[in-house]
Amino acid sequence: AQSVTQPDIHITVSEGASLELRCNYSYGATPYLFWYVQSPGQGLQLLLKYFSGDTLVQGIKGFEAEFKRSQSSFNLRKPSVHWSDAAEYFCAVGQDKIIFGKGTRLHILP
Amino acid sequence: KAGVTQTPRYLIKTRGQQVTLSCSPISGHRSVSWYQQTPGQGLQFLFEYFSETQRNKGNFPGRFSGRQFSNSRSEMNVSTLELGDSALYLCASSDRTGQPQHFGDGTRLSIL
Repeated sequence: AQSVTQPDIHITVSEGASLELRCNYSYGATPYLFWYVQSPGQGLQLLLKYFSGDTLVQGIKGFEAEFKRSQSSFNLRKPSVHWSDAAEYFCAVGQDKIIFGKGTRLHILP
Repeated sequence: KAGVTQTPRYLIKTRGQQVTLSCSPISGHRSVSWYQQTPGQGLQFLFEYFSETQRNKGNFPGRFSGRQFSNSRSEMNVSTLELGDSALYLCASSDRTGQPQHFGDGTRLSIL
């Protein structure tokens, strides 16, 4: 069955620290992979996407993600977080029907 | 460039009623997809329309339906509302199918 797992429901990091949000998926073939961010009371914003090619993908707001086929993972990273990065992050996979993970809520310590 | 517009932002209905939600995509985008977001089930895909044709459908009952007009605006209809339909309904627009790019701020539907 197709599924997306974000193992961490909450993550807390200090401002300026590095960040890695994990995402593992189960899919029949190599799917399209996405990361979105959602701030309270708002819709989702696409951070980055992977379809094919270079497995390290650069996105907006200084985020990047790396596709690892052998691990069925697509982890999101940022070298130095800012207080404004506090939000909920969703990993999603699919080609026709998009499947979302349950999300990881990121908290930033000043 | 205007973003994705969803109307209304908030809606309160009672069980058994029906509701219609609207989504206006970014100009030039022909794909509109709909999602239900609840605390328990998270984000779930409802359906996607492209050039007035339903391209994909999620695992929701037939009470959930939609359509897309020639100007790419889309409506979602839910009939015979149930308490469990209380959710944030999001739509996304894109210039290609299967790749939701730009989301609206959603319609929050509350069922009493």
